[in-house]
Amino acid sequence: DQQVKQNSPSLSVQEGRISILNCDYTNSMFDYFLWYKKYPAEGPTFLISISSIKDKNEDGRFTVFLNKSAKHLSLHIVPSQPGDSAVYFCAASEDNQGGKLIFGQGTELSVKP
Amino acid sequence: EAQVTQNPRYLITVTGKKLTVTCSQNMNHEYMSWYRQDPGLGLRQIYYSMNVEVTDKGDVPEGYKVSRKEKRNFPLILESPSPNQTSLYFCASSLGYTGTPYGYTFGSGTRLTVV
Repeated sequence: DQQVKQNSPSLSVQEGRISILNCDYTNSMFDYFLWYKKYPAEGPTFLISISSIKDKNEDGRFTVFLNKSAKHLSLHIVPSQPGDSAVYFCAASEDNQGGKLIFGQGTELSVKP
Repeated sequence: EAQVTQNPRYLITVTGKKLTVTCSQNMNHEYMSWYRQDPGLGLRQIYYSMNVEVTDKGDVPEGYKVSRKEKRNFPLILESPSPNQTSLYFCASSLGYTGTPYGYTFGSGTRLTVV
């Protein structure tokens, strides 16, 4: 049973446009949500996170939106750059399950010049 | 340099031959974890540890063992590897959850092939 789902395996966007990556979850006990970015032959790197008490968090070109009623979060990248081409994973945890972090399947983003 | 180091990077082994993948972190992190990455399945947590001698199962612990005898080390042990354990493995460490998640820092991965 996949508690965190990324239903789009891939996404292609033109340089300078907005990239929107989506993630759905089923566990209403999740308190924290994170996005990671992964390049080939490297480990995932932490990108941005959001607590369930917020609905938006920004960090430069990256913004994460959380819709708790819909159990949905999204990552917006504006403007997209070719260096953003990577696999993006969303992840979620329950605060009282420190260390237990559940990932989605990943979305491969390709930003074309 | 702050990092998570796992070894080896690549390993080919035969079914049933015990192996250990080592993981070490130099950031004095409390939490450590092992994940496996498979196509279409994303990253699945195998085991995690909240501190020395404290470990717990993730979502796919079957066929794996771990130990946390020292804070910096968290080896992954496959006592009798099988072909379905062929995967890309990642070790990770974290300060833990103190209000907002800091997030795991991942190693570079170990590509394991069991024939």
